[in-house]
Amino acid sequence: QKEVEQDPGPLSVPEGAIVSLNCTYSNSAFQYFMWYRQYSRKGPELLMYTYSSGNKEDGRFTAQVDKSSKYISLFIRDSQPSDSATYLCAMSATGNTGKLIFGQGTTLQVKP
Amino acid sequence: SQTIHQWPATLVQPVGSPLSLECTVEGTSNPNLYWYRQAAGRGLQLLFYSVGIGQISSEVPQNLSASRPQDRQFILSSKKLLLSDSGFYLCAWSVQAREGEKLFFGSGTQLSVL
Repeated sequence: QKEVEQDPGPLSVPEGAIVSLNCTYSNSAFQYFMWYRQYSRKGPELLMYTYSSGNKEDGRFTAQVDKSSKYISLFIRDSQPSDSATYLCAMSATGNTGKLIFGQGTTLQVKP
Repeated sequence: SQTIHQWPATLVQPVGSPLSLECTVEGTSNPNLYWYRQAAGRGLQLLFYSVGIGQISSEVPQNLSASRPQDRQFILSSKKLLLSDSGFYLCAWSVQAREGEKLFFGSGTQLSVL
């Protein structure tokens, strides 16, 4: 079993839809959780950073952490074609980026 | 503000040829630097990281090596490329934030070994 599981998709939604992207993990020591957005042939871009449990909101994006279920989510409201990308979750126990564990990424396509 | 430069964007090399990928960071001093490889369907794999000049930690035994000759320069090398070295190579640097370290990536190099 991988430490971090992420459905690779692809996930296709119409423009304006609410998108839910998810990762599950097995290591209960994880406390630092990140979401990255990666456009084709580009480097990943840090979208959201969360420590421990709870929600964090930034514009149309909301990151949610449920440590009891070992489950994290990224919600995108009013999705746009420009949101079409691969979304990677990442997490670590210590906050040390040398120990980040990444999911495989979910490919999202938002159709106009 | 901090920026990270990585080049070239695309590289096609024959098997057995040498490799040198370079990465530089601007706007910060003494950053932690990283080399990742991203293969299709396999996610991001940490190859090397460095906490200072001349200090390199290798995460996976392989045909590659890394060097950090200057504080903000990180180089990925190979003496003889293998077909299996093909992939998308990413340089990254990290900054200490209140909640922990944050990792930022360069634009990547798509390496094709033929």
